[in-house]
Amino acid sequence: DIVMTQTPLSLSVTPGQPASISCRSSQSLLHSDGKTYLYWYLQKPGQSPQLLIYEVSSRFSGVPDRFSGSGSGTDFTLKISRVEAEDVGVYYCMQTIHLPLTFGGGTKVEIK
Amino acid sequence: EVQLLDSGGGLVQPGGSLTLSCAASGFAFSSYAMTWVRQAPGRGLEWVSAITGSGGSTYYADSVKGRFAISRDNPKNTLYLQMNSLRAEDTAVYYCAKGEMTTVTRAYFDFWGQGALVTVSS
Repeated sequence: DIVMTQTPLSLSVTPGQPASISCRSSQSLLHSDGKTYLYWYLQKPGQSPQLLIYEVSSRFSGVPDRFSGSGSGTDFTLKISRVEAEDVGVYYCMQTIHLPLTFGGGTKVEIK
Repeated sequence: EVQLLDSGGGLVQPGGSLTLSCAASGFAFSSYAMTWVRQAPGRGLEWVSAITGSGGSTYYADSVKGRFAISRDNPKNTLYLQMNSLRAEDTAVYYCAKGEMTTVTRAYFDFWGQGALVTVSS
């Protein structure tokens, strides 16, 4: 199974400041088709997860451009350029290149 | 508008059975893979099972293989998860989610239901 490891476990950010979350996979997520199957989800308090980023760096429909994703192979980063109050919640990375599909353990983002 | 409505959760004794349903609307249901993901209280997300758009292929996490069965009724736009031999560690909120395409791997899950709480306890 591909193990997804996220750091840090939690993050406390002042509104307007940047935030960064790391995700590392135990195997490369780069497929022979040239795509990398790494996704980022946000689960806001009391809500279902919502898709933010697909294939490392593409923002899903309606996601603000303060969210960006980067990385390759086994190392990935989600960045929020200026954190807003509505960004609080738990962020998860996920891989779908191989079964079983696996998630990172989550990073909780709070506002200072 | 895509909508997924999870239902069927409840309290069940260890060793018991329960069937979850996910009623879908707003998209061509049979054209998309579907998945179940669960979240134990205070814990992270865990993938449980998935099924291709046609229903011809199904996949399971090792933790539920042989006990859970995923299925879909495409004319009724409904996804199911039959859960047997339930254990305390199956206690979780179960979410259904819609796939990006008809296949399960190398794709994202873009819309999620509100979740159904399953509690396994005597």
